[in-house]
Amino acid sequence: GEDVEQSLFLSVREGDSSVINCTYTDSSSTYLYWYKQEPGAGLQLLTYIFSNMDMKQDQRLTVLLNKKDKHLSLRIADTQTGDSAIYFCAERGVNTGFQKLVFGTGTRLLVSP
Amino acid sequence: DAGVIQSPRHEVTEMGQEVTLRCKPISGHDYLFWYRQTMMRGLELLIYFNNNVPIDDSGMPEDRFSAKMPNASFSTLKIQPSEPRDSAVYFCASSPGQGGADTQYFGPGTRLTVL
Repeated sequence: GEDVEQSLFLSVREGDSSVINCTYTDSSSTYLYWYKQEPGAGLQLLTYIFSNMDMKQDQRLTVLLNKKDKHLSLRIADTQTGDSAIYFCAERGVNTGFQKLVFGTGTRLLVSP
Repeated sequence: DAGVIQSPRHEVTEMGQEVTLRCKPISGHDYLFWYRQTMMRGLELLIYFNNNVPIDDSGMPEDRFSAKMPNASFSTLKIQPSEPRDSAVYFCASSPGQGGADTQYFGPGTRLTVL
């Protein structure tokens, strides 16, 4: 089956930029998503990008997509302690049944003051 | 909109008991998904419905698990009998099914502990 991989942990200082990386295998991928999960809560959609785009910016968030290398990244500018959470990358494509999302394992972001 | 609603938020039960988790999707959404999250296996899709009909239940672990969607505003996930290895957080999500990004919106989850 298709796979999505992420590094498990990232630690940054408040005010720095954070970059969370994700790789995926699905060559039919159409949309890719970033979700945020705070402790004890569900997954909250942060942003998504269509597969024919290579960049999307939304306030402090910048998503970069390298479709050739099947690499997705999420950059958070001016990271705050409130950004500490687990970030999940997910993709959707024809190979996965189109309606289903394939999630990565999540990257735990720790922001220190 | 209140978002996806799940109940109970926490459930503690003893091995062998029946457990029923409940979900109310966002009104107007055509798709409903049940996920399970554990430290060991991450986020797993168990089953999803389209217009109340189960489409893919290949993620359901075994026959002890069953899911129903009797109408567009309600779904249940039942475990009978429950086992300690079923302890996890169970999420329900819904999506509009209108094409495009068709974002899935998640509920707050039910934390299940089986003793």
